Amino acid sequence: DQQVKQNSPSLSVQEGRISILNCDYTNSMFDYFLWYKKYPAEGPTFLISISSIKDKNEDGRFTVFLNKSAKHLSLHIVPSQPGDSAVYFCAASSANDMRFGAGTRLTVKP
Amino acid sequence: DTAVSQTPKYLVTQMGNDKSIKCEQNLGHDTMYWYKQDSKKFLKIMFSYNNKELIINETVPNRFSPKSPDKAHLNLHINSLELGDSAVYFCASSRGGNGYTFGSGTRLTVV
Repeated sequence: DQQVKQNSPSLSVQEGRISILNCDYTNSMFDYFLWYKKYPAEGPTFLISISSIKDKNEDGRFTVFLNKSAKHLSLHIVPSQPGDSAVYFCAASSANDMRFGAGTRLTVKP
Repeated sequence: DTAVSQTPKYLVTQMGNDKSIKCEQNLGHDTMYWYKQDSKKFLKIMFSYNNKELIINETVPNRFSPKSPDKAHLNLHINSLELGDSAVYFCASSRGGNGYTFGSGTRLTVV
């Protein structure tokens, strides 16, 4: 039962353009959402998060948008840089549960 | 059909006890990992196993020991549990670093 889905396994964008990574969830009990970034041969590192009481959280080039009615969140990276090339995992949590998506591999071309 | 499964999902135990958390993957992946999630939701890698060989061992207390009977399993044993061990522990697996898949976590509470 996949409660968190990242339907795009990969995404390729040009340097300087916007990258949009999408994530859908099914469990309405989730109230906190996170994005992790993972480089090859390294563990995932926390990137940005958002609480369900907000619909947007911004940190530098990274912005996460939450649409609770659609059970959808997205991560925007603008402008994209080659160093952003990595696998991005969406995660959703409630008080007693946390689930990860399968990840989206982002490639930013110079 | 769960790809990476952890058991138990919840574990409440007293200080000083020894406990194990099991992890199994049916993806045919060659590497498995254990992470500890801190109060800020950061994931800290504890161990990874590749074909039964420990290839990452971060500075975790030696009370924690991974046990891998075969490629599909990586269990986490914890001796002499302490209050600070209370956390959510995640298992994950990958094939050569790709296809990274997380389990759903085990919430350990030490009382």
